[in-house]
Amino acid sequence: EVQLVESGEGLVQPGSSMKLSCVASGFTFSNYGMNWIRQAPKKGLEWIALIYYDSSSKYYADSVKGRFTISRDNSKNTLYLEMNSLRSEDTAMYYCAKQGYGGFFDYWGQGVMVTVSS
Amino acid sequence: DIQMTQSPASLSASLGETVSIECLASEDIYSYLAWYQQKPGKSPQLLIYAANRLQDGVPSRFSGSGSGTQYSLKISGMQPEDEGDYFCLQGSKFPPTFGGGTKLELK
Repeated sequence: EVQLVESGEGLVQPGSSMKLSCVASGFTFSNYGMNWIRQAPKKGLEWIALIYYDSSSKYYADSVKGRFTISRDNSKNTLYLEMNSLRSEDTAMYYCAKQGYGGFFDYWGQGVMVTVSS
Repeated sequence: DIQMTQSPASLSASLGETVSIECLASEDIYSYLAWYQQKPGKSPQLLIYAANRLQDGVPSRFSGSGSGTQYSLKISGMQPEDEGDYFCLQGSKFPPTFGGGTKLELK
């Protein structure tokens, strides 16, 4: 059974940093691209970052480019999202999601809440 | 970015009723379209991918259709467990973008 378990939830002040983790199991993690997707309260979903299976390529949404960094450790089956210069508009539930057929997201974690507020 | 316009924003259906949800893309997405269901407090679950391919384990009452810029999700016979939010995702052009969502309730 595919499982994705995020951690790193919390409340931080604007301008600060935070790092999320996502531990994967039930599939060969090193064979798949992985994504971070967020959902602000009462808002829609926004894709924010993709990393290829071998970390050879990384892509970001314009809203987080230059502030967020996606990375992975295939030896630990773990995906990361380092978030710097956090803003109130980054407040959201953050999900990690596995890349499936055609680039769609076929499995998602349960999500972690990031709140940016003074 | 490709804009995905989803309708309706909400709807209410009776038990056994057939329900349709639409997504309109701002340009041709060549069937690179997926549908998800999200229940309160849960993560999204993939229902349909490539416009009309049913994800493993998803009940056959769910179906997808469409091409070009217009796509739809049909639930043939509303069940209580089908209550939730539904949204579409286009994967044709980077960045992937989502529809605004449809809240489906049992009447």
